[in-house]
Amino acid sequence: AQSVTQLGSHVSVSEGALVLLRCNYSSSVPPYLFWYVQYPNQGLQLLLKYTSAATLVKGINGFEAEFKKSETSFHLTKPSAHMSDAAEYFCAVSDRGGGSQGNLIFGKGTKLSVKP
Amino acid sequence: NAGVTQTPKFRILKIGQSMTLQCTQDMNHNYMYWYRQDPGMGLKLIYYSVGAGITDKGEVPNGYNVSRSTTEDFPLRLELAAPSQTSVYFCASSRDRPASSGNTIYFGEGSWLTVV
Repeated sequence: AQSVTQLGSHVSVSEGALVLLRCNYSSSVPPYLFWYVQYPNQGLQLLLKYTSAATLVKGINGFEAEFKKSETSFHLTKPSAHMSDAAEYFCAVSDRGGGSQGNLIFGKGTKLSVKP
Repeated sequence: NAGVTQTPKFRILKIGQSMTLQCTQDMNHNYMYWYRQDPGMGLKLIYYSVGAGITDKGEVPNGYNVSRSTTEDFPLRLELAAPSQTSVYFCASSRDRPASSGNTIYFGEGSWLTVV
């Protein structure tokens, strides 16, 4: 079955520092990959998604992610953290092969804290 | 610009009570979903629907029921509430399934349910 692993349930960075949130997937067929952000007491909002058009994907709020098939990874980065980036981030995968009926499988989430 | 709207936002239930979480979307999406989110566990799919009159179980369907009589509405019914159903519930929708060209799932703002 398809799965996604987010390394680190909590990540803390200083304002202005690089943000790196890790996501690895398990699939023999390159899946569609998504990053969602959840601000406190809100629903999930799409940051970016990989659909095979380009391996480096740019999203909203200055975030980007790179699909690396050889590493089965889709890590999320932002060059300079801002206080408003403090939130929980979820990586999700959709199996093109039809597993799970093509629905999204979510990682457990990484909570990002930004220190002033 | 409503998107996905779910009610109520907060609810406290006693063990054994029943209730319905309402969800409606105004984007004419075919697919609708109910997820539950528990701390540190990410999102788990409860039920989903691929169109009016068609529903199917997700990963954690026990204790819940759904119906889809219209394209817009996808209510989630909790029968005989149990403490294990204390969670945050998210309704979501997408035009097609995520495995089809990486369709984006749009989320409501969540319903916080406590069973005591």
